Amino acid sequence: GQQVMQIPQYQHVQEGEDFTTYCNSSTTLSNIQWYKQRPGGHPVFLIQLVKSGEVKKQKRLTFQFGEAKKNSSLHITATQTTDVGTYFCAGQGGSYIPTFGRGTSLIVHP
Amino acid sequence: DAGITQSPRHKVTETGTPVTLRCHQTENHRYMYWYRQDPGHGLRLIHYSYGVKDTDKGEVSDGYSVSRSKTEDFLLTLESATSSQTSVYFCAISESKGARTDTQYFGPGTRLTVL
Repeated sequence: GQQVMQIPQYQHVQEGEDFTTYCNSSTTLSNIQWYKQRPGGHPVFLIQLVKSGEVKKQKRLTFQFGEAKKNSSLHITATQTTDVGTYFCAGQGGSYIPTFGRGTSLIVHP
Repeated sequence: DAGITQSPRHKVTETGTPVTLRCHQTENHRYMYWYRQDPGHGLRLIHYSYGVKDTDKGEVSDGYSVSRSKTEDFLLTLESATSSQTSVYFCAISESKGARTDTQYFGPGTRLTVL
Protein backbone atom coordinates (compact mmCIF):
# COMPACT_ATOMS: atom_id res chain seq x y z
CA GLY A 1 0.00 0.00 0.00
CA GLN A 2 0.89 3.63 -0.19
CA GLN A 3 3.50 4.82 2.28
CA VAL A 4 4.30 8.37 3.26
CA MET A 5 7.60 8.96 5.01
CA GLN A 6 8.26 12.16 6.88
CA ILE A 7 11.59 13.38 8.21
CA PRO A 8 12.96 14.39 10.59
CA GLN A 9 10.92 13.01 13.48
CA TYR A 10 12.07 15.82 15.78
CA GLN A 11 13.78 19.16 15.18
CA HIS A 12 15.14 21.50 17.81
CA VAL A 13 15.86 25.06 16.69
CA GLN A 14 16.75 28.34 18.30
CA GLU A 15 14.12 31.00 17.85
CA GLY A 16 14.85 32.85 14.62
CA GLU A 17 16.38 29.86 12.84
CA ASP A 18 14.74 28.25 9.83
CA PHE A 19 13.02 24.85 9.84
CA THR A 20 12.19 22.36 7.11
CA THR A 21 10.28 19.08 7.15
CA TYR A 22 10.19 16.68 4.22
CA CYS A 23 7.57 14.25 3.05
CA ASN A 24 8.22 11.42 0.57
CA SER A 25 5.73 9.03 -0.96
CA SER A 26 6.31 5.58 -2.42
CA THR A 27 3.76 6.36 -5.14
CA THR A 28 2.72 9.37 -7.20
CA LEU A 29 0.26 11.56 -5.36
CA SER A 30 -2.78 13.40 -6.67
CA ASN A 31 -2.48 15.93 -3.86
CA ILE A 32 -0.81 16.50 -0.53
CA GLN A 33 -2.13 18.23 2.55
CA TRP A 34 -0.28 19.72 5.51
CA TYR A 35 -1.59 19.90 9.06
CA LYS A 36 -0.30 21.40 12.30
CA GLN A 37 -0.97 20.04 15.75
CA ARG A 38 -0.16 22.20 18.77
CA PRO A 39 0.84 20.38 21.96
CA GLY A 40 -2.29 18.99 23.58
CA GLY A 41 -4.42 19.94 20.59
CA HIS A 42 -5.81 18.37 17.48
CA PRO A 43 -4.48 18.51 13.91
CA VAL A 44 -5.53 21.60 11.99
CA PHE A 45 -5.43 21.90 8.22
CA LEU A 46 -2.85 24.31 6.82
CA ILE A 47 -2.82 23.89 3.05
CA GLN A 48 -3.33 21.57 0.11
CA LEU A 49 -1.05 21.24 -2.93
CA VAL A 50 -2.33 19.72 -6.14
CA LYS A 51 -0.13 20.75 -9.07
CA SER A 52 3.30 19.43 -9.99
CA GLY A 53 6.00 21.87 -8.84
CA GLU A 54 3.48 23.97 -6.95
CA VAL A 55 4.77 26.45 -4.36
CA LYS A 56 2.46 28.17 -1.89
CA LYS A 57 3.25 30.62 0.87
CA GLN A 58 1.50 31.52 4.08
CA LYS A 59 3.42 34.34 5.76
CA ARG A 60 6.65 32.65 6.98
CA LEU A 61 5.59 29.18 5.78
CA THR A 62 6.50 27.93 2.30
CA PHE A 63 5.05 24.70 0.94
CA GLN A 64 6.37 22.88 -2.13
CA PHE A 65 5.11 19.93 -4.15
CA GLY A 66 7.73 18.09 -6.17
CA GLU A 67 7.77 17.95 -9.94
CA ALA A 68 7.16 14.20 -9.85
CA LYS A 69 4.41 14.64 -7.25
CA LYS A 70 6.11 12.15 -4.93
CA ASN A 71 7.58 14.56 -2.39
CA SER A 72 6.76 17.75 -0.58
CA SER A 73 8.32 20.10 1.92
CA LEU A 74 7.31 22.70 4.46
CA HIS A 75 9.80 25.45 5.26
CA ILE A 76 9.39 27.94 8.08
CA THR A 77 11.54 31.06 7.97
CA ALA A 78 12.70 32.65 11.22
CA THR A 79 10.85 30.37 13.61
CA GLN A 80 8.90 31.76 16.53
CA THR A 81 7.74 30.08 19.71
CA THR A 82 4.23 30.07 18.27
CA ASP A 83 5.45 27.64 15.59
CA VAL A 84 5.93 24.88 18.16
CA GLY A 85 3.97 21.75 17.36
CA THR A 86 3.90 18.70 15.16
CA TYR A 87 3.57 19.10 11.41
CA PHE A 88 1.96 16.31 9.42
CA CYS A 89 1.76 15.73 5.72
CA ALA A 90 -1.04 13.61 4.26
CA GLY A 91 -0.69 12.28 0.75
CA GLN A 92 -3.48 11.06 -1.47
CA GLY A 93 -2.64 8.68 -4.30
CA GLY A 94 -4.81 6.01 -5.80
CA SER A 95 -6.82 5.57 -2.63
CA TYR A 96 -9.75 7.77 -1.77
CA ILE A 97 -8.29 8.16 1.71
CA PRO A 98 -5.09 10.15 2.37
CA THR A 99 -2.17 8.54 4.19
CA PHE A 100 -0.57 10.54 6.97
CA GLY A 101 3.15 10.76 7.59
CA ARG A 102 4.36 10.25 11.15
CA GLY A 103 4.90 13.95 11.64
CA THR A 104 7.79 16.21 12.55
CA SER A 105 7.79 17.73 16.02
CA LEU A 106 9.26 21.23 16.07
CA ILE A 107 10.72 22.48 19.33
CA VAL A 108 11.70 26.15 19.39
CA HIS A 109 14.09 27.34 22.08
CA PRO A 110 13.76 31.02 23.00
CA ASP B 1 -13.52 25.02 13.94
CA ALA B 2 -15.79 22.54 12.23
CA GLY B 3 -18.69 21.22 14.28
CA ILE B 4 -17.19 18.01 15.60
CA THR B 5 -17.50 16.75 19.15
CA GLN B 6 -16.13 13.64 20.76
CA SER B 7 -17.33 11.95 23.91
CA PRO B 8 -16.08 11.17 26.38
CA ARG B 9 -13.00 13.40 26.32
CA HIS B 10 -11.22 11.27 28.90
CA LYS B 11 -11.79 7.71 30.00
CA VAL B 12 -10.03 5.26 32.26
CA THR B 13 -11.11 1.66 32.03
CA GLU B 14 -9.89 -1.79 32.91
CA THR B 15 -8.57 -4.51 30.65
CA GLY B 16 -11.32 -6.68 29.24
CA THR B 17 -14.14 -4.14 29.48
CA PRO B 18 -16.02 -2.86 26.43
CA VAL B 19 -15.60 0.79 25.53
CA THR B 20 -17.49 2.95 23.04
CA LEU B 21 -16.31 6.33 21.84
CA ARG B 22 -18.67 8.68 20.06
CA CYS B 23 -18.03 11.20 17.33
CA HIS B 24 -20.76 13.66 16.41
CA GLN B 25 -20.70 16.16 13.53
CA THR B 26 -23.02 18.98 12.55
CA GLU B 27 -21.44 19.56 9.11
CA ASN B 28 -23.27 16.82 7.19
CA HIS B 29 -19.94 15.61 5.76
CA ARG B 30 -19.97 12.26 4.02
CA TYR B 31 -16.69 10.85 5.32
CA MET B 32 -15.86 10.17 8.95
CA TYR B 33 -12.67 8.65 10.31
CA TRP B 34 -11.23 7.27 13.51
CA TYR B 35 -7.50 7.62 14.17
CA ARG B 36 -5.31 6.73 17.08
CA GLN B 37 -2.24 8.76 17.94
CA ASP B 38 0.71 7.33 19.81
CA PRO B 39 4.19 8.81 20.33
CA GLY B 40 6.41 8.04 17.35
CA HIS B 41 3.57 6.66 15.24
CA GLY B 42 1.73 9.77 14.13
CA LEU B 43 -1.90 9.35 13.14
CA ARG B 44 -2.93 5.83 12.26
CA LEU B 45 -6.27 5.15 10.63
CA ILE B 46 -8.46 2.63 12.45
CA HIS B 47 -11.69 2.67 10.43
CA TYR B 48 -13.50 5.08 8.23
CA SER B 49 -17.01 5.55 6.88
CA TYR B 50 -18.12 6.84 3.50
CA GLY B 51 -21.83 6.92 4.29
CA VAL B 52 -24.53 5.60 6.57
CA LYS B 53 -23.81 1.92 7.23
CA ASP B 54 -20.82 2.06 4.86
CA THR B 55 -17.53 1.49 6.64
CA ASP B 56 -14.10 0.12 5.86
CA LYS B 57 -10.96 -0.88 7.71
CA GLY B 58 -7.85 1.20 8.11
CA GLU B 59 -4.31 0.07 8.84
CA VAL B 60 -4.84 -0.73 12.56
CA SER B 61 -8.39 -2.09 12.71
CA ASP B 62 -7.78 -5.25 14.79
CA GLY B 63 -9.64 -5.09 18.10
CA TYR B 64 -11.92 -2.26 16.95
CA SER B 65 -15.35 -2.10 15.37
CA VAL B 66 -17.38 0.86 14.16
CA SER B 67 -20.94 1.75 13.34
CA ARG B 68 -22.62 4.60 11.55
CA SER B 69 -26.41 4.52 11.72
CA LYS B 70 -26.83 8.25 11.11
CA THR B 71 -24.86 10.73 9.03
CA GLU B 72 -23.87 12.72 12.10
CA ASP B 73 -22.68 9.91 14.39
CA PHE B 74 -19.73 7.54 14.10
CA LEU B 75 -19.10 5.14 16.97
CA LEU B 76 -15.85 3.34 17.74
CA THR B 77 -16.09 0.24 19.95
CA LEU B 78 -13.35 -1.65 21.69
CA GLU B 79 -15.07 -4.97 22.38
CA SER B 80 -12.55 -5.99 25.05
CA ALA B 81 -10.07 -3.25 25.84
CA THR B 82 -6.38 -4.07 26.18
CA SER B 83 -3.51 -1.98 27.54
CA SER B 84 -2.12 -1.65 24.00
CA GLN B 85 -5.22 0.36 23.13
CA THR B 86 -4.26 3.11 25.55
CA SER B 87 -4.00 6.08 23.22
CA VAL B 88 -5.48 9.36 22.11
CA TYR B 89 -8.30 8.82 19.65
CA PHE B 90 -9.23 11.43 17.09
CA CYS B 91 -12.31 11.57 14.96
CA ALA B 92 -12.18 13.45 11.66
CA ILE B 93 -14.63 14.38 8.93
CA SER B 94 -14.27 15.34 5.30
CA GLU B 95 -16.33 15.84 2.20
CA SER B 96 -15.75 14.15 -1.12
CA LYS B 97 -14.33 16.23 -3.94
CA GLY B 98 -14.41 14.56 -7.31
CA ALA B 99 -12.18 11.51 -7.25
CA ARG B 100 -10.73 12.23 -3.83
CA THR B 101 -11.62 13.31 -0.36
CA ASP B 102 -11.19 16.90 0.74
CA THR B 103 -9.61 18.51 3.79
CA GLN B 104 -10.04 16.65 7.05
CA TYR B 105 -11.38 18.41 10.13
CA PHE B 106 -10.48 16.85 13.42
CA GLY B 107 -12.35 16.61 16.69
CA PRO B 108 -10.75 17.49 20.04
CA GLY B 109 -9.74 13.91 20.80
CA THR B 110 -10.46 11.33 23.49
CA ARG B 111 -7.72 10.22 25.84
CA LEU B 112 -8.27 6.57 26.72
CA THR B 113 -6.32 4.75 29.39
CA VAL B 114 -6.69 0.99 29.77
CA LEU B 115 -5.34 -0.31 33.08
